[in-house]
Amino acid sequence: RKEVEQDPGPFNVPEGATVAFNCTYSNSASQSFFWYRQDCRKEPKLLMSVYSSGNEDGRFTAQLNRASQYISLLIRDSKLSDSATYLCVATDSWGKLQFGAGTQVVVTP
Amino acid sequence: EAQVTQNPRYLITVTGKKLTVTCSQNMNHEYMSWYRQDPGLGLRQIYYSMNVEVTDKGDVPEGYKVSRKEKRNFPLILESPSPNQTSLYFCASSGRGYRNEQFFGPGTRLTVL
Repeated sequence: RKEVEQDPGPFNVPEGATVAFNCTYSNSASQSFFWYRQDCRKEPKLLMSVYSSGNEDGRFTAQLNRASQYISLLIRDSKLSDSATYLCVATDSWGKLQFGAGTQVVVTP
Repeated sequence: EAQVTQNPRYLITVTGKKLTVTCSQNMNHEYMSWYRQDPGLGLRQIYYSMNVEVTDKGDVPEGYKVSRKEKRNFPLILESPSPNQTSLYFCASSGRGYRNEQFFGPGTRLTVL
């Protein structure tokens, strides 16, 4: 079983709509969580960190549910430029990162 | 400009021919690592380094070597490449600690024939 699992998608989203997807992690000792964005096999870039009960950054909201061991990402008012693959990352107490395989989002006009 | 650089960006080689992929960062980061990315499997860590002369195996170290003689450089060495090492490789660096953002290089697309 993978340490971090994601629905690969694609999630096809009309422009302006809201999309949300989850990521589950198996290591209950995971300390920190992140969402990275990856465009078309380019390098991943940090989208946002997810600490404690979650956080919001503009149109993006990340939530953490420790009891059920998942984090979620919600994108409001989707833009065409939001089309990308979103990678979920969990770290353990030693700082070792475990990446999910990614969720593809396609925003359509 | 703060960045992680990798070279080469693209490489086609043959089985058994030793190769090195270089990685360099200019952010004075202690932590560096190498990942490979394959379809459906996500990013998997090959090796990482917490600081100069300190390296350790990641999840998929077989067939790879690394060294960390200087803080800024972390080359990945394939002594005898095989076709199953065909992949997209990323180098990354971050400051000390697991809460720190990982900065990735642009990637090296390797094909082993």
